[in-house]
Amino acid sequence: GAGVSQSPSNKVTEKGKDVELRCDPISGHTALYWYRQSLGQGLEFLIYFQGNSAPDKSGLPSDRFSAERTGGSVSTLTIQRTQQEDSAVYLCASSLAGGAYEQYFGPGTRLTVT
Amino acid sequence: ELKVEQNPLFLSMQEGKNYTIYCNYSTTSDRLYWYRQDPGKSLESLFVLLSNGAVKQEGRLMASLDTKARLSTLHITAAVHDLSATYFCAVDVRGGGADGLTFGKGTHLIIQP
Repeated sequence: GAGVSQSPSNKVTEKGKDVELRCDPISGHTALYWYRQSLGQGLEFLIYFQGNSAPDKSGLPSDRFSAERTGGSVSTLTIQRTQQEDSAVYLCASSLAGGAYEQYFGPGTRLTVT
Repeated sequence: ELKVEQNPLFLSMQEGKNYTIYCNYSTTSDRLYWYRQDPGKSLESLFVLLSNGAVKQEGRLMASLDTKARLSTLHITAAVHDLSATYFCAVDVRGGGADGLTFGKGTHLIIQP
């Protein structure tokens, strides 16, 4: 079956612009996660959704970051007023449910802020 | 704050040799995951270890978990070039997914013919 998909695969934006990243989880997976991967910080957890709700948003790096999930499926991660330090690969993962279920990762969106 | 430490971070080895990657973590957890990442690619799940003493094997890779020592190992037997990749361990502390996974820095493995 189809895996986790993300779009766009690459995004180059100017500093100060807003960007929106999209994640389509595996069908039937109720849990969805956003991570980011950068050379300096490694892999960092950003936010988790169970259904449409995110119980804890404290992993988001700043208030310029927001995320939502609608219909228990597609999620968008929005970064406002992008900064150069936001450059990273943003990975989305989904799992059957929260807890000990295996997380399946998407191909990622490579964001470059110039 | 949960810390996950892998060692070594870089490993170059010859085909046919055996080696072990270590993953230590700082907080009690019985959920440990191993992932593989090829250059420019996403993360591929290798093993899910959910209890003390868990051991899983797939081909030339074997993973184990000792929750009392807060240690997981990934053992490579008779390495082949195709296993060259970066290997990450990750820990889920609270369960329920609320904290996501905390990853180690990764072990960059190069296997030379």
